[in-house]
Amino acid sequence: EVQLVESGGGLVQPGGSLRLSCAASGFSVSNTYINWVRQAPGKGLEWVSIIYSSGSTYYADSVKGRFTISRDNSKNTLYLQMNSLRPDDTAIYYCAKGWVVGAKAWFDPWGQGTLVIVSS
Amino acid sequence: DIQLTQSPSFLSAFVGDRVTITCRASQGISTYLAWYQQKSGKAPKLLIYSASTLQSGVPSRFSGSGSGTQFTLTISSLQPEDFATYYCQHIDSYPLTFGGGTKVEIK
Repeated sequence: EVQLVESGGGLVQPGGSLRLSCAASGFSVSNTYINWVRQAPGKGLEWVSIIYSSGSTYYADSVKGRFTISRDNSKNTLYLQMNSLRPDDTAIYYCAKGWVVGAKAWFDPWGQGTLVIVSS
Repeated sequence: DIQLTQSPSFLSAFVGDRVTITCRASQGISTYLAWYQQKSGKAPKLLIYSASTLQSGVPSRFSGSGSGTQFTLTISSLQPEDFATYYCQHIDSYPLTFGGGTKVEIK
């Protein structure tokens, strides 16, 4: 069964750093696309970042230069290093596996999410 | 950036009603559009991809249509378990974006 489990969320002060993890099972993180998506409390979904099987990465403008997506193939785990955190980064962070159809990858399945709160 | 505008943002309907949600893209995205369902406190779930293809396991009362800039999600006969928020999403180009969501309430 394909499963994603996020961890690493918590309370951090503005300007601080946090690293989120997304442990995968049932597939290899090195062989597919994986995304991070966030959702601020009571708000909609915002795509954050993607890493391709090739290692290529893309970011939303709102996090570019502050967040870094990476993976550890030996641990079958995806990461999101978040630096220079701001209060508007407060959100539930989900990882979502790319489900490839043709040349594109849809988001399926998703993990259960981990909550990040940026506050002093 | 491609903007997705969903309408309505909220709707209330009876069990058995036919419900339609619209998603409009700010520029053409072919059929690179998906629909997700999110129930309260849960992660989103993929319902439809490529604008009209039902994901495995999703009830056939859900359907999608459209291409270019206009898309619709239809629930042919609303069920109590369909109470949720629905989001459209494009994967045409970066940055990927989601619509603002449509919250569906059962009357």
